[in-house]
Amino acid sequence: NAGVTQTPKFQVLKTGQSMTLQCAQDMNHNSMYWYRQDPGMGLRLIYYSASEGTTDKGEVPNGYNVSRLNKREFSLRLESAAPSQTSVYFCASRGTAFSSYEQYFGPGTRLTVT
Amino acid sequence: AQSVTQLDSQVPVFEEAPVELRCNYSSSVSVYLFWYVQYPNQGLQLLLKYLSGSTLVESINGFEAEFNKSQTSFHLRKPSVHISDTAEYFCAVTMKGGKLIFGQGTELSVKP
Repeated sequence: NAGVTQTPKFQVLKTGQSMTLQCAQDMNHNSMYWYRQDPGMGLRLIYYSASEGTTDKGEVPNGYNVSRLNKREFSLRLESAAPSQTSVYFCASRGTAFSSYEQYFGPGTRLTVT
Repeated sequence: AQSVTQLDSQVPVFEEAPVELRCNYSSSVSVYLFWYVQYPNQGLQLLLKYLSGSTLVESINGFEAEFNKSQTSFHLRKPSVHISDTAEYFCAVTMKGGKLIFGQGTELSVKP
């Protein structure tokens, strides 16, 4: 049981390049989330998916797109990377039972845009 | 709208001393509260949570937090810290079925 996995772990992009961050969970969770973490700002929600086939914007969606490929996988795409998108990106998932309001996090992707 | 404020960005403390990391939230409805811990270069792990029932909740490694509805606080405490507790700690809040709102984080640095 791997939990939430993310690829790649590290990535360096030039301004204007595109890339997709991959996330998968094996806990049969319905909801999945993408956050970015910047110093002194905590984690900010980029996009989320409450269930397979649905996606919604979070607090900071500009410059990003997402795809909920199936129940397990939720990818984040940067179409034209900018230096302001240098950050650590975390994927998370959550079950729907009352006891499962907590989210489970992946190990993160460190992205640098030069 | 909900928000979370962690009152200290950095807390330095000596080993075996007590520590309190402060968290206040604002919400007009009932909330669920969480503390997450992030060790260096790792993802976030759930430390403890308050969903309902007893207002004092405990983790397996000696941390505890008390939900205070009148003061809208959920402060995290440990009576005696270890070097291994050095990490960043995040307070978070959510309504039933909603998204998590995180505080800015508190860096706990335990010195020998």
